[in-house]
Amino acid sequence: ILNVEQSPQSLHVQEGDSTNFTCSFPSSNFYALHWYRWETAKSPEALFVMTLNGDEKKKGRISATLNTKEGYSYLYIKGSQPEDSATYLCASLRGNQGGKLIFGQGTELSVKP
Amino acid sequence: NAGVTQTPKFRILKIGQSMTLQCTQDMNHNYMYWYRQDPGMGLKLIYYSVGAGITDKGEVPNGYNVSRSTTEDFPLRLELAAPSQTSVYFCASSYRSGGADTQYFGPGTRLTVL
Repeated sequence: ILNVEQSPQSLHVQEGDSTNFTCSFPSSNFYALHWYRWETAKSPEALFVMTLNGDEKKKGRISATLNTKEGYSYLYIKGSQPEDSATYLCASLRGNQGGKLIFGQGTELSVKP
Repeated sequence: NAGVTQTPKFRILKIGQSMTLQCTQDMNHNYMYWYRQDPGMGLKLIYYSVGAGITDKGEVPNGYNVSRSTTEDFPLRLELAAPSQTSVYFCASSYRSGGADTQYFGPGTRLTVL
């Protein structure tokens, strides 16, 4: 694939549910994969930057894995809370092109109390 | 640290008008970026800069111009506004080689062209 694709587009879960999203990106000439969290009416905030195949990152209840050979990354949220409601963006960089990230369209997560 | 600041927050333009979106960062970051975000779409890179005096095109540069005379400032110029430029514009910055460093985003400018 040449574009960055995220699935699902939107997700509605109950408080306490665990959930995961997928980011697919071009595997050729891979350099870095970014995850951002974007709350409504705010600006995107960085969650993780991943560069190594097999990398796993964790921040509280949120974790991410990376497979650069097959071109995908998973973001997991354990025990979702209403404050986790946001759009989660991933972005791929190929060949360290001066920071020219290619963003996916995002996964919109809604967590109901 | 104010981080990345953008002005104005909102603006309505008439077709054919010009304006400059301001972006300033106080983190001494070398890399700066301009993105636009359209409904249902991710962020699209308009222009970016790897340092003062150096700029380059992103995915969607048509209809825009940029300059980078200082490390801190990276203004985005719209010369002849068109309805297709109605969008939310985000400025971002990062410290080193932009790929491995997280980008810090400003609060955005919501632009409507009528």
